[in-house]
Order: sequence, then C-alpha cells, then structure tokens
Amino acid sequence: NAGVTQTPKFQVLKTGQSMTLQCAQDMNHNSMYWYRQDPGMGLRLIYYSASEGTTDKGEVPNGYNVSRLNKREFSLRLESAAPSQTSVYFCASRVLAGGNNEQFFGPGTRLTVL
Amino acid sequence: TQLLEQSPQFLSIQEGENLTVYCNSSSVFSSLQWYRQEPGEGPVLLVTVVTGGEVKKLKRLTFQFGDARKDSSLHITAAQPGDTGLYLCAGGRGNQFYFGTGTSLTVIP
Repeated sequence: NAGVTQTPKFQVLKTGQSMTLQCAQDMNHNSMYWYRQDPGMGLRLIYYSASEGTTDKGEVPNGYNVSRLNKREFSLRLESAAPSQTSVYFCASRVLAGGNNEQFFGPGTRLTVL
Repeated sequence: TQLLEQSPQFLSIQEGENLTVYCNSSSVFSSLQWYRQEPGEGPVLLVTVVTGGEVKKLKRLTFQFGDARKDSSLHITAAQPGDTGLYLCAGGRGNQFYFGTGTSLTVIP
C-alpha cells in the first residue's frame, strides 16, 4: 500500500500561471481533504470531499477549485496563481472506524509563486 | 481566526525533562486529535479523544480532553531526542477538522 501520494513534490510558478496538484489514495477511503500549511498557522482546510461525487468548501477556498475524479483521486487546481498561494499543500484521506476518525496525510507539495 | 490555539509555540528542553503542550478553544468539538509532523513530511496521528475528561496514554505521552470538550493537553514524560517535531492538535466537527497553530518541540541530547 502506497497510502496517500501527491504529485508534484515541488513546483515554482509565476503569478498568473495555472496548475493542478494531484492526489491519490489506495486505502478505499470515502473522504478526502486538501489543506495548506503556512508558518505559524497550522493546517487550514481548503476543500474536502466527504464521498465520491461531492465536494465542499473549507476555511480558505478562494482561488482554488477541486475535482473528485473517482474514489481514489482528488485534485486541486489553481487557475491563476498568486504569491499569497505560496505554501505547502497536503492531501489527506480519512477512515472512520470505531471512533478513531483518523486522517492519513500525503508527503506534501511545496509550491512557490513568484 | 484560528479556532484552536496552541501554547507554547516553541519549546526547547533537555533530554529527560517533562513538558506539557496546551490546545485551547472557545468552541466545542466532537473529537480532538493530536498529530506529530517531522520536517518534509505530512502529519501522523498520535491519538484521538472523543469523551469529555478522557485520558489516553501512549508510552511516555499522556493526552487529556477537557471536560467541556473545548481544550486538550499533551504531556510528555522524560522527553527524548526522538520526540523532536511539530505537534498539532485538531478538533473534529462533522466532516471538517480544524487544526491548531502547532508547537515546535526540540529535545536536546
């Protein structure tokens, strides 16, 4: 089991460029999440998908779009990148078993917008 | 505005010392989780607490959920260099999780 995988690991964009961050999980989890992590801010939820075919906004959705392509894959798109979107992006999937409610995180994508 | 505030933000201690990290909120959560994150990696779950007043132990780590389910603490006994990392609390509400600001712990050999 690879768990949660993310591509790319690093990316540098110029202001105004677009890109898609890919995430896939092989644990058959229903729920998937996109977070961003900035210094001193912890992780903030951008979008989530509680189940295949549904997506919902989190705390900081502006400037982003998502697609739940199938049960395994959940992508995050930046249509017109801005320097304020420089961050580390984490994808997570979630199991709800016996009240454990655990999220499994990918290794992250480090994005710099110039 | 962060729903969960952690303190202290940074902590540097000698090996063998004890420490406590706090996670506070004015909001009620259905569950409270603690994660540890190492540089260049994603967070890894340490524990989930769901009942007010609940205490869980994981070797030298003790986790407590406040009676009102608004706050939590993590206590480490006899810290070791392997405990070094970023500790994050996260409150669960429905399908969403709200993360704290994080506590960066360094244990000096």
